[in-house]
Amino acid sequence: KQEVTQIPAALSVPEGENLVLNCSFTDSAIYNLQWFRQDPGKGLTSLLLIQSSQREQTSGRLNASLDKSSGRSTLYIAASQPGDSATYLCAVWTSGTYKYIFGTGTRLKVLA
Amino acid sequence: NAGVTQTPKFQVLKTGQSMTLQCAQDMNHEYMSWYRQDPGMGLRLIHYSVGAGITDQGEVPNGYNVSRSTTEDFPLRLLSAAPSQTSVYFCASGSDEQYFGPGTRLTVT
Repeated sequence: KQEVTQIPAALSVPEGENLVLNCSFTDSAIYNLQWFRQDPGKGLTSLLLIQSSQREQTSGRLNASLDKSSGRSTLYIAASQPGDSATYLCAVWTSGTYKYIFGTGTRLKVLA
Repeated sequence: NAGVTQTPKFQVLKTGQSMTLQCAQDMNHEYMSWYRQDPGMGLRLIHYSVGAGITDQGEVPNGYNVSRSTTEDFPLRLLSAAPSQTSVYFCASGSDEQYFGPGTRLTVT
């Protein structure tokens, strides 16, 4: 059974800092992995989608990497801003299933 | 292009009442799913559908029913609401990249 873990559960950093959020999964036979952002009281917004054949994806100040063999993905945020404050979730689609399994998220606070 | 829409936004039910949470998408996605989000537990999959007429159970299906008669709509039915079903419910569509609705906040008293 696929299990997805995100550490740390919460993170507070000063504005301008580069930071890394971690996502680990137990079954490396994945179809893809997706990173989401969730603002308080809102739905989820897709940030980056990494297919199993890819090693990384970039969008603006965000870079997500995938290492299937070690069961890890990282989300790198460059030059963090207060507007980046949100909860970041990763979700994994395991091959042979029709399901995304979510981690519990990392709550990020960027201090001005 | 509205994406994924959900109604209602908020609902309060008494124990034992039934209701239907509505979800619609206009992106012609075959795959749709329902999640519930509880503090400290992340999102958990309730039911999903890979196309009209085809549904299957997720991680936490008990107490919920779904049907998929059209590509656009995927309603979630609570048969007899219980306090344990107090949660925020999200509908999503798309299998590669998932698109989420704004959520329904349900309280069962």
